[in-house]
Amino acid sequence: GQQVMQIPQYQHVQEGEDFTTYCNSSTTLSNIQWYKQRPGGHPVFLIQLVKSGEVKKQKRLTFQFGEAKKNSSLHITATQTTDVGTYFCAGSKYNFNKFYFGSGTKLNVKP
Amino acid sequence: DTAVSQTPKYLVTQMGNDKSIKCEQNLGHDTMYWYKQDSKKFLKIMFSYNNKELIINETVPNRFSPKSPDKAHLNLHINSLELGDSAVYFCASSQDNHNTDTQYFGPGTRLTVL
Repeated sequence: GQQVMQIPQYQHVQEGEDFTTYCNSSTTLSNIQWYKQRPGGHPVFLIQLVKSGEVKKQKRLTFQFGEAKKNSSLHITATQTTDVGTYFCAGSKYNFNKFYFGSGTKLNVKP
Repeated sequence: DTAVSQTPKYLVTQMGNDKSIKCEQNLGHDTMYWYKQDSKKFLKIMFSYNNKELIINETVPNRFSPKSPDKAHLNLHINSLELGDSAVYFCASSQDNHNTDTQYFGPGTRLTVL
């Protein structure tokens, strides 16, 4: 079964609105990575979170790792049309060297 | 220079045929992967090789056979193709097989089985 759940599946926003996608695991993760896949493209690494409660920012993107290391979120402030794509989280468990990808959140931004 | 390359980009074939997809990385990484992305965009790992050795083999039909002639190449051969094999197959690589390593994905191969 799916190890890492991600919601929402789709999000349509007006340009300038904010966007958030959430990632949840039933078990504690050692770390989590976020990837972006543009339409017709391939997943591209955005960031990695390792520490409990960690928050990282990349310009308009804010990434958080929950205190229990079971959930994570990606928040985009004031979306732009260039933000269009599918955002995936990928969690890894302790002592395992593989990632479980979330189902992805497809973001559409209307100009 | 393309870091992770795959050939072909598109592959259309009939049920029952055998086909191969090739992957090469010029990043000097030790670990390579094959992922399958279905029509709903789920990304599922299939195989992982570290220095030519198989380290991850998920529940994949044995019609799928990966081969790593050297650590820069990981090919995927599929026998007796079925309709359900239609998907985009991504190759990826990482520096090592640590779970903190960034994965670099290839452009994908869109396989359509008719």
